[in-house]
Amino acid sequence: SQTIHQWPATLVQPVGSPLSLECTVEGTSNPNLYWYRQAAGRGLQLLFYSVGIGQISSEVPQNLSASRPQDRQFILSSKKLLLSDSGFYLCAWNGVSGQIYGYTFGSGTRLTVV
Amino acid sequence: QKEVEQDPGPLSVPEGAIVSLNCTYSNSAFQYFMWYRQYSRKGPELLMYTYSSGNKEDGRFTAQVDKSSKYISLFIRDSQPSDSATYLCAMGRGNSGGYQKVTFGTGTKLQVIP
Repeated sequence: SQTIHQWPATLVQPVGSPLSLECTVEGTSNPNLYWYRQAAGRGLQLLFYSVGIGQISSEVPQNLSASRPQDRQFILSSKKLLLSDSGFYLCAWNGVSGQIYGYTFGSGTRLTVV
Repeated sequence: QKEVEQDPGPLSVPEGAIVSLNCTYSNSAFQYFMWYRQYSRKGPELLMYTYSSGNKEDGRFTAQVDKSSKYISLFIRDSQPSDSATYLCAMGRGNSGGYQKVTFGTGTKLQVIP
């Protein structure tokens, strides 16, 4: 069966510090991968998606970047965090061997920038 | 106007009540419709999906879609305290198993009181 792992679960970082959040999927190959941010009252906002290694599409301009160095690994990064980067970050995947409609989400990372 | 509108609640009901959760949407391009359940500090999990107008049942849950009115609903029968969570409607476009663009509502917080 397929599983998605996301870490860390919580993170408190000072303004201006770098960020690296990692997501991996097991039990499938060539998944479509997504990074979402969830802010209170604003719902889920798609940040990046990837349909293959090295292929990244950005949905909104922002202080963040994403990379996909391996088939089942998706990384969200920032060189210098802003207060506005605080939120709940969710990785998700879909593919022919998993959820054919919609996504399967990871357990999320709650980021607080102080 | 937002593509997807959802009343944020909170909605508080006694145990055993029938719960009705609703969303409206404006984009006729949406092909399939989903409901996610999200417990506090967890990632959303897919409850139900459907791609046609009408009703779909799964145990105590019924998803209803009215494409002509651009309106979807989730009914929960015999609600239980374990149903207390935030419910997100979601609507998507794209190929099954391929890249999918999913737009989420902001979520309705439900509390079922024992």
